[in-house]
Amino acid sequence: ETGVTQSPTHLIKTRGQQVTLRCSSQSGHNTVSWYQQALGQGPQFIFQYYREEENGRGNFPPRFSGLQFPNYSSELNVNALELDDSALYLCASSLGGADTQYFGPGTRLTVL
Amino acid sequence: SQQGEEDPQALSIQEGENATMNCSYKTSINNLQWYRQNSGRGLVHLILIRSNEREKHSGRLRVTLDTSKKSSSLLITASRAADTASYFCAPAMDSNYQLIWGAGTKLIIKP
Repeated sequence: ETGVTQSPTHLIKTRGQQVTLRCSSQSGHNTVSWYQQALGQGPQFIFQYYREEENGRGNFPPRFSGLQFPNYSSELNVNALELDDSALYLCASSLGGADTQYFGPGTRLTVL
Repeated sequence: SQQGEEDPQALSIQEGENATMNCSYKTSINNLQWYRQNSGRGLVHLILIRSNEREKHSGRLRVTLDTSKKSSSLLITASRAADTASYFCAPAMDSNYQLIWGAGTKLIIKP
């Protein structure tokens, strides 16, 4: 059984640039959730995808967007990067929205 | 706004002692989950307790849930240095099943 993987591990971008983060869900899981975690804080829910459809969104602006593919892997895209976007981005897969979530190791994004 | 609030924010105990962390939330829930995070990396699931359950055990972990008080507790017995981590509760809201996270409890186990 393959766990949740994320790429890249680390990323450095400058203000105004765009970034794409990738997540491969655990085998058999059809739901992927994305979170932003600032240093010393808890995860903040960005959005969730269930079978390629967005299934809920947190309080994030439209420049945060996502996709889920037929194999249930997912992408998080952030446009017009701001300094405050610097954080650890976590994805988690599950069998359903309320079920146990299995997290990837995260992508550390630094915006300069 | 944060729906899961952990208390205390930080806890430092001697190895071998028990550690208790509390969680409060604001809305009706489907279940409540506890996670552990080491050194700012990915979170690891510990226990899921459903809204119709009152207590659940897993190894050295014991979780209680009181839906009338909208609160939960996590007890770690016979703590070990490897238990040093941040612990988060994540209530799954009944309305949309989304997990809502607090800022966590930072647990330090002193050898």
